[in-house]
Amino acid sequence: EAGVTQFPSHSVIEKGQTVTLRCDPISGHDNLYWYRRVMGKEIKFLLHFVKESKQDESGMPNNRFLAERTGGTYSTLKVQPAELEDSGVYFCASSQEEVAGVDGYTFGSGTRLTVV
Amino acid sequence: AQKVTQAQTEISVVEKEDVTLDCVYETRDTTYYLFWYKQPPSGELVFLIRRNSFDEQNEISGRYSWNFQKSTSSFNFTITASQVVDSAVYFCALSGPWNGGSQGNLIFGKGTKLSVKP
Repeated sequence: EAGVTQFPSHSVIEKGQTVTLRCDPISGHDNLYWYRRVMGKEIKFLLHFVKESKQDESGMPNNRFLAERTGGTYSTLKVQPAELEDSGVYFCASSQEEVAGVDGYTFGSGTRLTVV
Repeated sequence: AQKVTQAQTEISVVEKEDVTLDCVYETRDTTYYLFWYKQPPSGELVFLIRRNSFDEQNEISGRYSWNFQKSTSSFNFTITASQVVDSAVYFCALSGPWNGGSQGNLIFGKGTKLSVKP
């Protein structure tokens, strides 16, 4: 079974540019989560999809961040325009249950975003 | 508010030593879940264990063991006879219950970087 896949693994962009991160969850997982870890800080929740619907987007920092999940499959997270403080590692996770079962949430390897 | 504290930022041990990673949590919920994840140098977060708030039984899996104590709000993780391959960042996390806007999202600690030297 393929795991959670994130593209790209690294991205370096200039302040003001746009970047789109992609997450492919495990096939059949209705729940998809985005998290972010800024340097030296905790990994923080951004939002949660159930299929194509946003269940909880309370962690989205501001309206420069837009997440979509077309058809309930893969998800994209767009940052427009990017600011220096957006630099960090963006993780995606998926699960079958909303509160992960005995196997936990499955995380991807993350996308390291650097805004210069 | 919910919070997870991992007071140990970095720990360095020599191979075969036992090591305990501390995790203290805060929550007002009566139903919650606790997790440990391992982040090896490759970057992905690898699930290790989930424990629900009604199950205080300690868990052992090979060289790994977990001690959950509600009285002290702690969920500590011990590696027995550590190995170089155990070197990683370990995260403790707390999940909210099924209601409101916190359905299933995880609250992470800052992580503890474990270095096991040969």
